[in-house]
Amino acid sequence: DTAVSQTPKYLVTQMGNDKSIKCEQNLGHDTMYWYKQDSKKFLKIMFSYNNKELIINETVPNRFSPKSPDKAHLNLHINSLELGDSAVYFCASSQDPGGEYNEQFFGPGTRLTVL
Amino acid sequence: KNQVEQSPQSLIILEGKNCTLQCNYTVSPFSNLRWYKQDTGRGPVSLTIMTFSENTKSNGRYTATLDADTKQSSLHITASQLSDSASYICVVSGKGTYKYIFGTGTRLKVLA
Repeated sequence: DTAVSQTPKYLVTQMGNDKSIKCEQNLGHDTMYWYKQDSKKFLKIMFSYNNKELIINETVPNRFSPKSPDKAHLNLHINSLELGDSAVYFCASSQDPGGEYNEQFFGPGTRLTVL
Repeated sequence: KNQVEQSPQSLIILEGKNCTLQCNYTVSPFSNLRWYKQDTGRGPVSLTIMTFSENTKSNGRYTATLDADTKQSSLHITASQLSDSASYICVVSGKGTYKYIFGTGTRLKVLA
């Protein structure tokens, strides 16, 4: 019973390609997130959706486009991949977008390697 | 600028020993502080969440402390086990914002 799942776990692709990473949560949460973890292991938020609406959109290239078809899914599409996009991408979910005890649950991550 | 800094960057201890990890932040106004454990190749898992009014919170062998006046937190691990080897990440959230500011983490290695 995986709470937050991501596919694929590994993604190796050539520069310039377009790829998607899928995320699904079965916790009944209203809020989902995408994070990027670079080679120095620093996690940085990219996007957040609450009830399918975008509430956080950090300074990321517009080559990255999140899509939330429903509350349980938040997919990440990346156009024209660049070498610097290589990282581990984590999806997460929480009951609410804020709140003092709002706990985030993370997926297992997708390791993207751009050659 | 809102920042979260952790120290040490890495730490090696022997099994059974205790250790303390530090987190300093500049996020203001402050809402809450979380400690996460991230095993290699996995997503972070929440250990503790503390708000402004809480000084300490425990989760098994993990005890987190918070001093909101000095903007410092620590995570104390008692009687370490090999399975404690992981990265420990401090995350701070500001009041009135949906954003979580992540620290760079402390990599802990517990040796037999």
